[in-house]
Amino acid sequence: DTAVSQTPKYLVTQMGNDKSIKCEQNLGHDTMYWYKQDSKKFLKIMFSYNNKELIINETVPNRFSPKSPDKAHLNLHINSLELGDSAVYFCASSPDSGSGYEQYFGPGTRLTVT
Amino acid sequence: QQQVKQSPQSLIVQKGGISIINCAYENTAFDYFPWYQQFPGKGPALLIAIRPDVSEKKEGRFTISFNKSAKQFSLHIMDSQPGDSATYFCAAGTYKYIFGTGTRLKVLA
Repeated sequence: DTAVSQTPKYLVTQMGNDKSIKCEQNLGHDTMYWYKQDSKKFLKIMFSYNNKELIINETVPNRFSPKSPDKAHLNLHINSLELGDSAVYFCASSPDSGSGYEQYFGPGTRLTVT
Repeated sequence: QQQVKQSPQSLIVQKGGISIINCAYENTAFDYFPWYQQFPGKGPALLIAIRPDVSEKKEGRFTISFNKSAKQFSLHIMDSQPGDSATYFCAAGTYKYIFGTGTRLKVLA
């Protein structure tokens, strides 16, 4: 009965490869997010979807492409992986996209690019 | 205008002591200020949050103090316990939250 789940938990791959991270929430929330946490623990928002519609698209290389097949799922596809993409990627969800809603984070996916 | 500055970077406190973490923001449009707690290998989890229309909010041992004119807010952990050892993030925003750089708290037994 995990609220926000991500797969895989660990991902080790080589430069130039393409990989995907999947996220699912069973909270019935309308809004989902992708965050990147770098080696210094800095947490930065990348994307947000509300009811399958992209509402936040930060300055992220276009090698990163989110996709929301339905409001319970938000996947992240990364093309042509680079060393600098190594980080922990967190998916999160909230009841809605406005201010003041608690964001529930998943356990994270540690991506290591070699 | 989008930065949230957090200090200190790390903090060591004796069991039973008070832990204080400070944050400052720039954007006066921000109207929600949550604090998140993150344990190693886990995702951040909401600890406590405040709106700018109140100056203080307390939940158990955790208190947020908010100074709107100074654009600063802080987290106080009273009677700190070893189980509180974690990384704490402040955040600020409206529909989008900007996170601080984190404070690694260690509470000594």
